[in-house]
Amino acid sequence: QVQLVESGGGVVQPGGSLRLSCAASGFTFSSYGMHWVRQAPGKGLEWVAFIRYDGSNKYYGDSVKGRFTISRDNSKNTLDLQMNSLRAEDTAVYYCAKDRSGSYFIDYWGQGTLVTVSS
Amino acid sequence: EIVMTQSPATLSVSPGERATLSCRASQSVSSNLAWYQQKPGQAPRLLIYGASTRATGIPARFSGSGSGTEFTLTISSLQSEDFAVYYCQQYSNWPPWTFGQGTKVEIK
Repeated sequence: QVQLVESGGGVVQPGGSLRLSCAASGFTFSSYGMHWVRQAPGKGLEWVAFIRYDGSNKYYGDSVKGRFTISRDNSKNTLDLQMNSLRAEDTAVYYCAKDRSGSYFIDYWGQGTLVTVSS
Repeated sequence: EIVMTQSPATLSVSPGERATLSCRASQSVSSNLAWYQQKPGQAPRLLIYGASTRATGIPARFSGSGSGTEFTLTISSLQSEDFAVYYCQQYSNWPPWTFGQGTKVEIK
């Protein structure tokens, strides 16, 4: 079955950096686009970034554009999110999510990793 | 950017009753609409895609309808495990993929 396991969350100071990772299993990782979606405490879902199956195209939400970078390693079945210049408003649970390729909606989600930006 | 608006924000329903949740798009998304369920402390789970197709393993009491800008998620007879927050998401015009703000279904 599809498994997505995020890691790398923690507490970071404003202006700092953090790198999240997602280990994927149970499907052919190299055939599917992948997303990062976040959820601030007590709030709704916000799409963050998407990368195509082969890494050829990457897309970002306006709130993270220029600060976050999505990447993948299809040889290791891993998805990453490099987060720089972090702000208090980036505090959230970050979910790794699998795209239903060809249709471009999310069909599986990881359990999430909490990022807290605070001094 | 397509804005998704859900109503109501909170729906109070007794077990066994029907729940009807609404989602409106600021412009047509055709049938490119998904519904997700999220329970406290858990990740979201896909319920419906293509506005009306149930995802694998989703009970028949969940149904979706609509197209264009108006969509509905109906839970025909609420079970205790259905009390949760429900989100709609459009995947017609991206980026960005956009979610509604959620509807919380609570026990009356």
